[in-house]
This record gives sequence, C-alpha cells and structure tokens, in this order.
Amino acid sequence: DVKVTQSSRYLVKRTGEKVFLECVQDMDHENMFWYRQDPGLGLRLIYFSYDVKMKEKGDIPEGYSVSREKKERFSLILESASTNQTSMYLCASSTGLAGDTDTQYFGPGTRLTVL
Amino acid sequence: DQQVKQNSPSLSVQEGRISILNCDYTNSMFDYFLWYKKYPAEGPTFLISISSIKDKNEDGRFTVFLNKSAKHLSLHIVPSQPGDSAVYFCAAHTGTASKLTFGTGTRLQVTL
Repeated sequence: DVKVTQSSRYLVKRTGEKVFLECVQDMDHENMFWYRQDPGLGLRLIYFSYDVKMKEKGDIPEGYSVSREKKERFSLILESASTNQTSMYLCASSTGLAGDTDTQYFGPGTRLTVL
Repeated sequence: DQQVKQNSPSLSVQEGRISILNCDYTNSMFDYFLWYKKYPAEGPTFLISISSIKDKNEDGRFTVFLNKSAKHLSLHIVPSQPGDSAVYFCAAHTGTASKLTFGTGTRLQVTL
C-alpha cells in the first residue's frame, strides 16, 4: 500500500511565523503535490514537483514556497503565516506515468490554524 | 474559473437507494476523470476513474458514467450504505500531465 505521511495532524501558529509542513511518501513516486482544502472551494493546488529539486506553481502559490531535496520528501513553507492561510493542507504523490494509472494518493492532512 | 463543477454541495439518500453525484467540466482537453471520497480529518482516497474513450466504468457498487458531448460525468452508488457518507470530489486531468483539477465536492449523507 502507498503511504503518504504528513508531519503534523494539527498545528497552531501565530501571524508572521515561518511554518514548515513536511510530507513523506514511501512508494518511490516521481510526483508530489500540495493542496489546500477550504469549505466550498474544494481542493486547490498550491505547488507540485515532478522530480527532485523541480517544482511548479499550482493555482494558488502566493504566500507559499516548497522544497524537494529528496525524492520521498516534499515540504511546504509558509514564509510569514497569515490568518487567511488557516486551512486543511493535503499532500499527495503519484507515479508520474501518463494516463489513468497516475492516481494521486493523499496523506491524512494537516489542519493549520493561524492566530 | 472553475473548470470542474459540482453544483450540488450536499445530497441526502436513504440506505439501500441509489446515490447519484454529478460533475460538469468545461475544459475539452480533460481526458481522464476520477472520483475521490473524503471522510472528515482524513485525506481523500481514490474511488474510481474513467478514461474519455469509455462511457462507463464499474467497480462493485460504484459506477461512473461519462457523457463527453455534454461534458458531464456522474457517480452512481447502488445500494447506498451508511459508510458511504462522506464528501465526494470529482477530478480531471489531461492525461499528459499529473496535475489534477478538482471540483468543490458534494457531501453525501446516507440515512437509515
């Protein structure tokens, strides 16, 4: 079974703090993704990475950065947390193969609250 | 611009009956479609997918139908069970890239 783990289930931070969200996958997947989920907005892609040290902006990258130094690990960084970044953050990974075999597998999510 | 739309935010169905969840899309480049199920405080889990070369895919109680001309897909759950109560997300991608575009989700409540 594919396993995607996220470093924290719940996190409370203060406005202006630098926040690191860590994600690790154990299936040697090429692709990794960070989403945020908000009520009424579904899942929105923040950043994704298709290889080590490679990254691409998703639909809502503003206020975020990412790091992928190792294949299995993908970090999301909030340089200066703001209250509008309070959300559920979901990490996912996929094989990178074209077609319907490229299913994304999700971690359990991190509920981040910024006060 | 919402390229994948789920116009019903919630749906309530009696146990044993059919649940039909709908999804519309606008991007004609989408050629793979997926449904994910999400319980509270958990990540989404993959449920079923369909390629644009098909119009139906079935897996046990779950069937996905695709109408390309209408840019519409639906997920049928028969019979519905209380454990099916969750939020269901429709998603799509172009096949040549891994990037998924998700809908806003439909919360299904299966009542006894």
